[in-house]
Amino acid sequence: SYVLTQAPSMSVAPGQTASISCGGNNIGRKSVHWFQQRPGQVPVLVIYDDKDRPSGIPERFSGSNSGDTATLTINRVEAGDEADYYCQLWDSHTDHRVFGGGTKLTVL
Amino acid sequence: EVQLVESGGDLVQPGGSLRLSCAASGFTFGPYEMNWVRQAPGKGLEWVSYISSASNTISYADSVKGRFTISRDNAKDSLYLQMSSLRADDTAVYYCVREGTGLGAFDVWGQGTLVTVSS
Repeated sequence: SYVLTQAPSMSVAPGQTASISCGGNNIGRKSVHWFQQRPGQVPVLVIYDDKDRPSGIPERFSGSNSGDTATLTINRVEAGDEADYYCQLWDSHTDHRVFGGGTKLTVL
Repeated sequence: EVQLVESGGDLVQPGGSLRLSCAASGFTFGPYEMNWVRQAPGKGLEWVSYISSASNTISYADSVKGRFTISRDNAKDSLYLQMSSLRADDTAVYYCVREGTGLGAFDVWGQGTLVTVSS
């Protein structure tokens, strides 16, 4: 089955840029979605189809996808961005939906 | 308000069965594909099962295939998950999730219902 690989954790200072990666074989050929899950809360979709933002998601959040890596970028990081971030896609070969293991973002 | 509300979570013994329900409101349920996603305590998100709008396409994660059955009743705006032969590693919060934006993006999540498998 298709595997998505994320670093378990990363930290960034307020005002800086966080780049969260999601690795997968030829992931650039697939549509990748990203979710934010704050502590004790339900996951929220922040990027869909590699780079599109749902309504209500700040422009500070952006996405890209090429080759074997998809990336969620958060500009001008704020304390409220501290959360777990998950990448996800649909694997057409198995018809399975797949999540990455998640990256815990700590704002210093 | 678009809403998904799960129910049915409980404490169950290993080998037991449980049926989860999800009630949709605030949108037209029938045309949407739906999923169940779970999250074990302190762990990441795990996709469990998918059902198409007309129930003609269904898929399961390998970890639950043969033990769980997903279904829906569009007339009742409801999604279900019948779980059997439950194991300790099925312990998790189970989320009902709408697949509605883009190519398979999960755009609406319920609050979740806790299933605990323990003797």
